[in-house]
Amino acid sequence: EPEVTQTPSHQVTQMGQEVILRCVPISNHLYFYWYRQILGQKVEFLVSFYNNEISEKSEIFDDQFSVERPDGSNFTLKIRSTKLEDSAMYFCASCLDSNQPQHFGDGTRLSIL
Amino acid sequence: AQSVTQLDSQVPVFEEAPVELRCNYSSSVSVYLFWYVQYPNQGLQLLLKYLSGSTLVKGINGFEAEFNKSQTSFHLRKPSVHISDTAEYFCAVQKNTGNQFYFGTGTSLTVIP
Repeated sequence: EPEVTQTPSHQVTQMGQEVILRCVPISNHLYFYWYRQILGQKVEFLVSFYNNEISEKSEIFDDQFSVERPDGSNFTLKIRSTKLEDSAMYFCASCLDSNQPQHFGDGTRLSIL
Repeated sequence: AQSVTQLDSQVPVFEEAPVELRCNYSSSVSVYLFWYVQYPNQGLQLLLKYLSGSTLVKGINGFEAEFNKSQTSFHLRKPSVHISDTAEYFCAVQKNTGNQFYFGTGTSLTVIP
């Protein structure tokens, strides 16, 4: 069964540095998402992306964050200047249609030092 | 605004016993409902979904859930749990007019041998 893949599985970065988290959604999916899960807390929506533009974003998704689909397969989340509180598990998800279940990757654990 | 409440943060249960994980939601619009399972160091895997139709939905691994509109609940049940069911379970809702998911805080199910 096709799946969403995320790389790397664990990223350690110095505070203030830029980080890019990478995702390869399921190939025929059209809607793409990023979520994060701070340790011990619930999964929180960050952003959704469709037709090469952001369709929804949460309050968390401020100017430090950006997303991009640079080619036909990758979907990236960039954090421009990381803060300690950005440490979390980041999940990418995709779906074929907006009212269909989202398929999640295994996540990237981001640790900011 | 949408919110999801999972009343039990931890549920211990003996092997082969039945289990119910509770989920209540609030929303001013119609929603779709989902349960996801997260095994240690893995992503979110869809257990089951309710989009429309029959209020009793069956998912993978012997789980089922019942949508109760009057009580705004979507409780997850399994008649006989197995050790391998030990995991974190998340209830999620999606507005039928949007595409982001709202997650509950999760319920940690521990199956005791």
